[in-house]
Amino acid sequence: GAVVSQHPSWVICKSGTSVKIECRSLDFQATTMFWYRQFPKQSLMLMATSNEGSKATYEQGVEKDKFLINHASLTLSTLTVTSAHPEDSSFYICSARQKRGGADTQYFGPGTRLTVL
Amino acid sequence: DAKTTQPPSMDCAEGRAANLPCNHSTISGNEYVYWYRQIHSQGPQYIIHGLKNNETNEMASLIITEDRKSSTLILPHATLRDTAVYYCIVRANSGNTPLVFGKGTRLSVIA
Repeated sequence: GAVVSQHPSWVICKSGTSVKIECRSLDFQATTMFWYRQFPKQSLMLMATSNEGSKATYEQGVEKDKFLINHASLTLSTLTVTSAHPEDSSFYICSARQKRGGADTQYFGPGTRLTVL
Repeated sequence: DAKTTQPPSMDCAEGRAANLPCNHSTISGNEYVYWYRQIHSQGPQYIIHGLKNNETNEMASLIITEDRKSSTLILPHATLRDTAVYYCIVRANSGNTPLVFGKGTRLSVIA
């Protein structure tokens, strides 16, 4: 159980275009999902917290108008990178929070590698 | 800021136990210790978590000191597929608190 999927697994786009990444919890409902990005040889950096039915909470330095997050259902959150530029090229990873017993656990998707030309 | 300190890298012989240490001297009473690992170019994989008691599952064991200021993740019989970056994270079990990743320990399992 506790499987999180992402689509697409990789995408190449031209500078100026928008790219949408989907994150789904396949076998559990997640009221909260998180979006991270990871640059080469670095650790994961939290971008935003996505709550079902409400606005996302963005970390300092992350532009909310550039990285649009929509958590439309209990199993789906989307991240849209608008007007992508080469510096947005990165590995984007989502996670979904599952509450089991006394503790929350976050389960991660396989990641989406974005390359902007 | 990550609240944990881990060695940047470790080696382990295949078939032997891998013991990965983590210091979290400022841990609060309501914070759990979580361990994840990330194999190259994949999303992090949940391993185990605990509050104050030692924990064991099919992947690993987690030993937490009595004062909770440090812990050790034990992979009992390391294989080449266990080569990854291992992250020790402390996190309050409340609301929407996300996991904050530090630099982790790069474990290399050697044949």
